[in-house]
Amino acid sequence: GAVVSQHPSWVICKSGTSVKIECRSLDFQATTMFWYRQFPKQSLMLMATSNEGSKATYEQGVEKDKFLINHASLTLSTLTVTSAHPEDSSFYICSARGTGTSGRVTPYNEQFFGPGTRLTVL
Amino acid sequence: GQSLEQPSEVTAVEGAIVQINCTYQTSGFYGLSWYQQHDGGAPTFLSYNALDGLEETGRFSSFLSRSDSYGYLLLQELQMKDSASYFCAVMDDKIIFGKGTRLHILP
Repeated sequence: GAVVSQHPSWVICKSGTSVKIECRSLDFQATTMFWYRQFPKQSLMLMATSNEGSKATYEQGVEKDKFLINHASLTLSTLTVTSAHPEDSSFYICSARGTGTSGRVTPYNEQFFGPGTRLTVL
Repeated sequence: GQSLEQPSEVTAVEGAIVQINCTYQTSGFYGLSWYQQHDGGAPTFLSYNALDGLEETGRFSSFLSRSDSYGYLLLQELQMKDSASYFCAVMDDKIIFGKGTRLHILP
């Protein structure tokens, strides 16, 4: 199956700083990437959808100026949490959908998830 | 609006069978997926139903009734490693996740 990596796996930062999280598709071209946030014992909440080369589409209630998403290439998307505060502490997970090396488009139902990044803001 | 309902917790005994139900109300619908998530980990894909009926994959089966907006995940021969949270998710242009069912397995 397709592999998606995230970096860093965990990060601790001071309030007011910005944190960048990378999401990479390792063996396929991710035409679409999704960013989720998950608070403890809660569900995954979709934050935004990004298509390569275009602006991200944010879900209602997600501040686009606070959560900057860049999907500049077919294998990399980044999420930057700007001026992070303790309430931003969460588990951030990306997923990707796209075209494999054989040219096969991943089935519509399949999104491949990264391992997640745990952000703690002090 | 969009909503998915599933039980918050289920407890079962090792070796038994457990069924986790999911009902949904969404504006769009391509199919219903199920994901497993262990504590601290990312979700892993279990199954997908686009059409009515039962899909079987090893010890796990998933069922969908589009007319009833209902599906379930059936786990057989439960093992301790199956202790996890299970999410149903509606596939539209994006995935909408349910709140998750925490499965506790007793020895």
